[in-house]
Amino acid sequence: GAVVSQHPSWVICKSGTSVKIECRSLDFQATTMFWYRQFPKQSLMLMATSNEGSKATYEQGVEKDKFLINHASLTLSTLTVTSAHPEDSSFYICSARDLGQGYNEQFFGPGTRLTVL
Amino acid sequence: GESVGLHLPTLSVQEGDNSIINCAYSNSASDYFIWYKQESGKGPQFIIDIRSNMDKRQGQRVTVLLNKTVKHLSLQIAATQPGDSAVYFCAENYLDTGRRALTFGSGTRLQVQP
Repeated sequence: GAVVSQHPSWVICKSGTSVKIECRSLDFQATTMFWYRQFPKQSLMLMATSNEGSKATYEQGVEKDKFLINHASLTLSTLTVTSAHPEDSSFYICSARDLGQGYNEQFFGPGTRLTVL
Repeated sequence: GESVGLHLPTLSVQEGDNSIINCAYSNSASDYFIWYKQESGKGPQFIIDIRSNMDKRQGQRVTVLLNKTVKHLSLQIAATQPGDSAVYFCAENYLDTGRRALTFGSGTRLQVQP
């Protein structure tokens, strides 16, 4: 089956630093990847849609200058949390759509736990 | 905007019993629905999906029912096992401004008592 990986699986950083999270589709190509954020005991909230070769589409209320998304290839999207603060601490999850399986197929990564001190 | 709603909670069942998890959605434009299972500290895992032109779909030990009239979705798990303990989310998929967006419900925690 389609596999999506994320790196790192967890990260702890100091307030004010930037953190980059990678999302890779391992055995399929994905023109579209999605980034979600999940706070404890809450549901997944879509942050942005990452499109290969073009600018990401951000959801309302998500600061594009704070959450930088780059989708440089069909298998890699990165999310950079710039000038991280404690309130950015969360579980970040990406998903990727498999080109070969039609528009409905979306596979999720294992998530990245970000803790900002 | 509209969202999938799911009233809370925790569902506790005995091992071997059947489980039913419910979900209400509000976006009438949604045409595809998915159930995900999420274990602690992990990403969502696909369980089963259903398109809006269907009202029932069965998988291995799981069945999804869709009632478009009342905008209701349910997940039935037969012979629930301890390994089924997790948080379950329903999600709806619809075409929005040219892209396929996925909206998650609030989730239900399933606890299976041995």
